[in-house]
Amino acid sequence: DAGVTQSPTHLIKTRGQQVTLRCSPISGHKSVSWYQQVLGQGPQFIFQYYEKEERGRGNFPDRFSARQFPNYSSELNVNALLLGDSALYLCASSFRDRRDEKLFFGSGTQLSVL
Amino acid sequence: DAKTTQPPSMDCAEGRAANLPCNHSTISGNEYVYWYRQIHSQGPQYIIHGLKNNETNEMASLIITEDRKSSTLILPHATLRDTAVYYCIVPQEYGNKLVFGAGTILRVKS
Repeated sequence: DAGVTQSPTHLIKTRGQQVTLRCSPISGHKSVSWYQQVLGQGPQFIFQYYEKEERGRGNFPDRFSARQFPNYSSELNVNALLLGDSALYLCASSFRDRRDEKLFFGSGTQLSVL
Repeated sequence: DAKTTQPPSMDCAEGRAANLPCNHSTISGNEYVYWYRQIHSQGPQYIIHGLKNNETNEMASLIITEDRKSSTLILPHATLRDTAVYYCIVPQEYGNKLVFGAGTILRVKS
């Protein structure tokens, strides 16, 4: 079975541009979460979606948005890119939206903003 | 979120057991303890989780103290491939949002 897949794996953008990152969860998983990991730090929670509804939002500016599609795949959009948005963006999926659910992470998209 | 405290780094000899401690003194009765690890340049990998009882799976064992204020992750026979950052996490909010701290860098040496 395929794990969580993210695309693209690497991306280079310039300041002020917009970017869309994509995530396909494990088949049957209905919850998708996004995390940002800056070099040298642990991942930081950005969004969680379950059954196409937003279930949680981390402390990120409105430039960050996301959505989940009927097939449970998800997109993360970041507008007006800043140098500080350079990071590894991780997607994680789980079957349900519960505390006792383990998350499965993809390998991430490495975003570099120049 | 329930704050977890872990040592910043630990070393372990290859083939020996690696015991990684975690303090979570403010944990409440219905909160789980999770362990994930992250090998360089990869996404975090789930290892194990537990509520009250000790747990074991093919990767590791989790020992939770009776008062639930601390736990220990045990890798019974560490290999070089176990070198990673290990995160102890107590998810608090409804749903499965994870708050990652700095974790413990485990270095397995031959």
